[in-house]
Amino acid sequence: YELTQPPSVSVSPGQTARITCSGDVLSKQYGYWYQQKPGQAPVLVIYKDTEGPSGIPERFSGSSSGTTVTLTISGVQAEDEADYYCQSADSSGTDVVFGGGTKLTVL
Amino acid sequence: QVRLVQSGAEVKEPGASVKVSCRASGYTFTGYYMYWVRQAPGQGLEWMGRINPNNGGTNSAQKFQGRVTMTRDTSISTAYMELSRLRSDDTAVYYCARLNIAAAISGFDCWGQGTLITVSS
Repeated sequence: YELTQPPSVSVSPGQTARITCSGDVLSKQYGYWYQQKPGQAPVLVIYKDTEGPSGIPERFSGSSSGTTVTLTISGVQAEDEADYYCQSADSSGTDVVFGGGTKLTVL
Repeated sequence: QVRLVQSGAEVKEPGASVKVSCRASGYTFTGYYMYWVRQAPGQGLEWMGRINPNNGGTNSAQKFQGRVTMTRDTSISTAYMELSRLRSDDTAVYYCARLNIAAAISGFDCWGQGTLITVSS
């Protein structure tokens, strides 16, 4: 399995950021998104393509279409600057794959 | 609260082995798989393997098969990952992360703080 993300995305504060993740596995399995700030462990921000864990701001949302999942951050704030990784797995969860990561820069 | 606390950083010589621990608290240890993920300096996340704390059953990524051993001690809610025959390109931060066995679609909702393993002569 392979997941492809753009290396970087830049937005101004208050704008909407969209980060895509593409891979054949996403047509059959769910996609997940993790936020990672420098020197910190990843944090789950979207699961099951579109669901937000408790405690994650509502400006984070996810969508799915075919072999692509998209993370959308509405009203981007400076604190959202981070690396974002998509992830999926086979149906048994024994073959996990991460995308290469996207660096979100808030201008 | 739910926490995964990992052991501290280590420096190892090439060819040696390293064992990283991950102590869980705030939840039922046997209710969640424990996955291991690593991140080389400046690089992305790489899945290594997982253990089912209920029965000790493991699965590992093909890349690490034969070099990674995952174990657990349910009496102290701790999972271990041992990587052998270390090479310089094994230098990375190693993370543990949990996944709900009964709701595997919930994602890796809690991660350890990471353990830096440096392989250098």
